[in-house]
Amino acid sequence: DSGVTQTPKHLITATGQRVTLRCSPRSGDLSVYWYQQSLDQGLQFLIQYYNGEERAKGNILERFSAQQFPDLHSELNLSSLELGDSALYFCASSGQSGGASEQYFGPGTRLTVT
Amino acid sequence: GQNIDQPTEMTATEGAIVQINCTYQTSGFNGLFWYQQHAGEAPTFLSYNVLDGLEEKGRFSSFLSRSKGYSYLLLKELQMKDSASYLCAVGGGGYQKVTFGIGTKLQVIP
Repeated sequence: DSGVTQTPKHLITATGQRVTLRCSPRSGDLSVYWYQQSLDQGLQFLIQYYNGEERAKGNILERFSAQQFPDLHSELNLSSLELGDSALYFCASSGQSGGASEQYFGPGTRLTVT
Repeated sequence: GQNIDQPTEMTATEGAIVQINCTYQTSGFNGLFWYQQHAGEAPTFLSYNVLDGLEEKGRFSSFLSRSKGYSYLLLKELQMKDSASYLCAVGGGGYQKVTFGIGTKLQVIP
């Protein structure tokens, strides 16, 4: 158990809909990362927050947005969903304030868009 | 930007040794990570190298050469449970940014 929690575990929704994925980082970790992993694909970095502020942006679509709240949990919002958005979405957290550091991954949310 | 290359698939025999290579090109470097990911599960951290040389941790070792942009993960005494994807990831190119390679799917056979 990494200490990172994600909800829900599974999500099935229709095209055009909007969903919110939630992540709670490990106790004490200030950084939260979001990744997308499609079937047989590598981890695609979406976005990173540190202590409530956006720090880095990867290949995140304009239909997707995220935020990190004062209690450090984070939400990833996916809207106008398309079939191609079906994937595993992982949240990870890390503790260091500077430089790259080991990330602890949550169990993921499996999103299926029908 | 970051560019990471690693073989997509490898097969090795139970009890043997396997070396998974990773080459990278980066605009900044804050260290190299190896993660293990079983199918449908979350990646788990294996090792971190920021200086050149070999880091050993039980059956797993990781090597880094910054001048060559090269790393490898060495797995000894392979077990069936080592069948998984091994992800090479490079830190750098942005504050705490880590870029993951596509992963090497290792199959351990009896």
